[in-house]
Amino acid sequence: DIQMTQSPSSLSASVGDRVTISCRASQYISRYLNWYQQKPGKAPKVLIYAASNLQGGVPSRFSGGGSGTDFTLTISGLQPEDFATYYCQESYDTSYTFGQGTKLEI
Amino acid sequence: EVQLLESGGDSVQPGGSLRLSCAASGFSVSDLGMAWVRQAPGKGLEWVAVISAGGASIYYGDPVKGRFTISRDKSKNMLWLQMNSLRAEDAAIYYCATLLISAGGRWFDSWGQGTLVTVSS
Repeated sequence: DIQMTQSPSSLSASVGDRVTISCRASQYISRYLNWYQQKPGKAPKVLIYAASNLQGGVPSRFSGGGSGTDFTLTISGLQPEDFATYYCQESYDTSYTFGQGTKLEI
Repeated sequence: EVQLLESGGDSVQPGGSLRLSCAASGFSVSDLGMAWVRQAPGKGLEWVAVISAGGASIYYGDPVKGRFTISRDKSKNMLWLQMNSLRAEDAAIYYCATLLISAGGRWFDSWGQGTLVTVSS
């Protein structure tokens, strides 16, 4: 089974900051990597799919990169509404494993 | 507009069964892959089951294999999750989601609001 490890598990930042969240797969997953944002009491929302493709309606301050086993989600110019929990997810083969999440706090 | 509405969550005893429903609108459940994802209280996301658009491929997460069954009905435009032999660790909010495939990727696109399953004696 593919394991997904995110780092850090939590992150404190300020409005206007640039932050990067990392995600590592336990084996090669090409670019089958997605990023989701979840706010308390709400369903997750996809931000980035296939490693670097921005979902429609998602602000351009969000960007994704990487391939193979190492991936990043970068938020450039944090806005108040960006404080949430972020999850990576692999979808390489027949599994759809999520990382453990990164809580982004003010 | 794609909309998903889960229902069927309840409190059940260990060893019991429950069937969750997901009513879809704005698209046909047979035209897209569909999935169930769960989230235990205060915990992260865990994928539970996926069914492909054509229905030929069905996959389950290891914790639920042999106990849960995903299915759908085109005529009712519904997705279901039959959960048997429930355990305490199955307690969670269960979300249904659409599975999109494009641009060399596969992701869960639209999500419902979730339905809560509690497993306790």
